[in-house]
Amino acid sequence: AQTVTQSQPEMSVQEAETVTLSCTYDTSESDYYLFWYKQPPSRQMILVIRQEAYKQQNATENRFSVNFQKAAKSFSLKISDSQLGDAAMYFCAYSGGSNYKLTFGKGTLLTVNP
Amino acid sequence: GAVVSQHPSWVICKSGTSVKIECRSLDFQATTMFWYRQFPKQSLMLMATSNEGSKATYEQGVEKDKFLINHASLTLSTLTVTSAHPEDSSFYICSVLPSGRGGNIQYFGAGTRLSVL
Repeated sequence: AQTVTQSQPEMSVQEAETVTLSCTYDTSESDYYLFWYKQPPSRQMILVIRQEAYKQQNATENRFSVNFQKAAKSFSLKISDSQLGDAAMYFCAYSGGSNYKLTFGKGTLLTVNP
Repeated sequence: GAVVSQHPSWVICKSGTSVKIECRSLDFQATTMFWYRQFPKQSLMLMATSNEGSKATYEQGVEKDKFLINHASLTLSTLTVTSAHPEDSSFYICSVLPSGRGGNIQYFGAGTRLSVL
């Protein structure tokens, strides 16, 4: 079974600074997707970024980028120029290529200090 | 992204009653939808996969007779919590997997907070 581990229950960052959230996963599949979802206090789950395992290039979405290390099964999220609105719970998630289910990590609560 | 409407956002009910939660995909058809449960300060736990036109697939430990799922159309799935009890109080979230788009991206509803008295 696939597992997703987020080892940082909480992180904090100063506004305008950069922060990296860690995620590791375990799988025997070769075809899969990795995601970072954000859950602000409203509890609405919002897709931040997605990485396809077969792509070597790290995904980027504006201030958000990932460091995908397939051999190490690591998938960290870097948030640059942090904004107050980035404060939220961040979940790392895994989905197998042929199995659409999402397996979530336990989450990292990010606080952004003004 | 896809727009997912989940209703109601908050419901309070008496113990023993049934509650129905709706999940609608407003701009994409979806053969597959998912239902999750989330306890305070915890992650999302998948309860079941809702399949249009067929029976839902429940995760291990989830009572199918307690949590009835109906996916009668390509844009609507419902979750009915039958004979609700206080231990069923939780935050329930649905998600949509748009048909034919690939990429395994799920889009989420805003969630339903269920309080059973």
